[in-house]
Amino acid sequence: AQTVTQSQPEMSVQEAETVTLSCTYDTSESDYYLFWYKQPPSRQMILVIRQEAYKQQNATENRFSVNFQKAAKSFSLKISDSQLGDAAMYFCAYSFTGNTPLVFGKGTRLSVIA
Amino acid sequence: DADVTQTPRNRITKTGKRIMLECSQTKGHDRMYWYRQDPGLGLRLIYYSFDVKDINKGEISDGYSVSRQAQAKFSLSLESAIPNQTALYFCATSDYREGLTADTQYFGPGTRLTVL
Repeated sequence: AQTVTQSQPEMSVQEAETVTLSCTYDTSESDYYLFWYKQPPSRQMILVIRQEAYKQQNATENRFSVNFQKAAKSFSLKISDSQLGDAAMYFCAYSFTGNTPLVFGKGTRLSVIA
Repeated sequence: DADVTQTPRNRITKTGKRIMLECSQTKGHDRMYWYRQDPGLGLRLIYYSFDVKDINKGEISDGYSVSRQAQAKFSLSLESAIPNQTALYFCATSDYREGLTADTQYFGPGTRLTVL
């Protein structure tokens, strides 16, 4: 079975600084999808970024980018120029295809310090 | 209006009561999912449905049942609620079209359930 591990239960970053959230996963598949979701205090689940495993180029969305290391099964999220609104719980997730059930990590709570 | 809605948003109930959580979507998606979130455990899959006639158990289906009344509606029932079912419950949807393999899952706002 696929598993997703987020080894940092909590992280903090100064406003305007850069922070990296770690995620590792285990799968025997060669093609799959990885996601980062953000959950602010409103508890809404918001997709931040996704990565298709067959694409070597790392995905980017504005201030958010990933470092996808397929051989190492690592999928970290980098947030640049951190803002107060980035404070949230962040979940890493895996799916075999883009629209099959997601397997989530346990989450990393990010605090942003003004 | 929200594309994926869940009712109720919050519910407090007692041990042994039957509870139904409802999910509706206007996105026209075929696939629907129920997840449960517990502090420190992330989200875990309870049930999922790829169409009205296809329902599958997830990782933690014991104590739960589901009904897919229509393409747009997917309900989760707790037949006899117990305190360790206290959690945040999410419904999600995704689209399936031939050749489309990277669609996103869209989540509802969640239902906070407390079982006393």
